[in-house]
Amino acid sequence: QVQLQESGPALVKPSQTLSLTCAVSGGSISSRGYCWNWIRQPAGKPLEWIGRICTSGTSNYNPSLKSRVTISLDTSKNQFSLTLNSVTAADTAVYYCSAQTGSGIDHWGQGTLVTVSS
Amino acid sequence: DIQMTQSPSSVSASVGDRVTITCRASQGISGWLAWYQQKPGKAPKLMVYAASSLQSGVPSRFSGSGSGTDFTLTITSLQPEDFATYYCQQASRFPYTFGQGTKVEIK
Repeated sequence: QVQLQESGPALVKPSQTLSLTCAVSGGSISSRGYCWNWIRQPAGKPLEWIGRICTSGTSNYNPSLKSRVTISLDTSKNQFSLTLNSVTAADTAVYYCSAQTGSGIDHWGQGTLVTVSS
Repeated sequence: DIQMTQSPSSVSASVGDRVTITCRASQGISGWLAWYQQKPGKAPKLMVYAASSLQSGVPSRFSGSGSGTDFTLTITSLQPEDFATYYCQQASRFPYTFGQGTKVEIK
C-alpha cells in the first residue's frame, strides 16, 4: 500500500517560491504505470489539480499555473516535488500529493497547509 | 477546460435514506469520471473510478453510473460514516477538473 507524506514550509512570503516534497513509502516512485499528482484546496473551496509527472517521463500541468509550476521526481530519495514561483495570497491552500495508477487518483497524502503572507 | 457541475450543492438526509448526486460535464468525457469522498480536515478518498467501478474496499451501497456528459453517484441506505462532501473529477482531458462538491448533511 503506497503511502505519501508532504513536507515543506507552512509560510511563504508573497513573490517568493513555494517548494513542497512528497515522500513515498510502501512502493517505488519508479513503479511502472504510476503518475504523481499535486492537487490543492483553498479553505472552503473545491479541489484544484496542479499537475502530474509520470514514471514514463511525461508531465502535464494546469495551464492556469503552468508558467509558475514545476513537478519533478527524485528516484534516489523516492520522492517527488512541487515548485511554484511568484506566489500570491491566492496560492494559500492545503496542498495534497497523490498517486494515480488508473483513471482515478487512488492514494493521497494527508495534506499540508501553505499560507502566503508577509 | 472541461467544467464539472454537481447538483445539488448540499443535501440533507437521514440514516437509511437513498441519496443521488449528479455531475454534468461541459463536454463529453466518455467514462473518464471519478468520485471522491472528503471529510473535514481529511484528504479525499477515491470511491468510484471509470464512472462505475467501485474502488477496492468501498462499501457496495455506493454505485456510480453514466457516460458522456451525465453521471450519478448513488448511496443506498446512507450510513453515519457517509456524511461528507463528495466531488466528481474528469480525467478525460488536461487539466483534470473537479466539481464544486456536494455536501451530504444529517437531517
